Amino acid sequence: KQEVTQIPAALSVPEGENLVLNCSFTDSAIYNLQWFRQDPGKGLTSLLLIQSSQREQTSGRLNASLDKSSGRSTLYIAASQPGDSATYLCAVKETSGSRLTFGEGTQLTVNP
Amino acid sequence: DTEVTQTPKHLVMGMTNKKSLKCEQHMGHRAMYWYKQKAKKPPELMFVYSYEKLSINESVPSRFSPECPNSSLLNLHLHALQPEDSALYLCASSQEPPTAWSYNEQFFGPGTRLTVL
Repeated sequence: KQEVTQIPAALSVPEGENLVLNCSFTDSAIYNLQWFRQDPGKGLTSLLLIQSSQREQTSGRLNASLDKSSGRSTLYIAASQPGDSATYLCAVKETSGSRLTFGEGTQLTVNP
Repeated sequence: DTEVTQTPKHLVMGMTNKKSLKCEQHMGHRAMYWYKQKAKKPPELMFVYSYEKLSINESVPSRFSPECPNSSLLNLHLHALQPEDSALYLCASSQEPPTAWSYNEQFFGPGTRLTVL
């Protein structure tokens, strides 16, 4: 059974710092991996979707990498801003099923 | 229109009430999903509708009854809920249904915060 782990569970940084969020998964037979952002009490916003054949995706200050063989993905946020404060979730879609398996998220706080 | 809308935003109900959650999308998506999310936990899939037909039911109790009246609308009917059913209920949609060999990006609504007293 696929398990997705996100470390750290919570992270607090000063504004302007570059930071890395980690996601690991136990079964490397994934179809793709997706990073989401969730503000408190709100829905999920898709940030980046990486197909299994890709190594990374970039959108603005965000860069997500994928190392399928080692079961890891990272989300790099450059020049963090207070508006980046949210919970970041990663989710994998396996090749053997149709569902997403989510990690428990990293709660990020960027202090002004 | 590129968003998924959900109503109401908040709902408080007693254990004997009957209520419904509504989800709507006008992106022409053919798959719609219900998720349940408890505080500080990831979303848990409840139901998937593919082309207006129920394709996945994750062994959800019968007190939750989904309905897809048309391709743009998804309802979740609630009856005789328990306090432990209090959670954020998220709706999502995707262009096509997910299969083992494909995945379409899911777009989420803002959720309905449900409190069962």
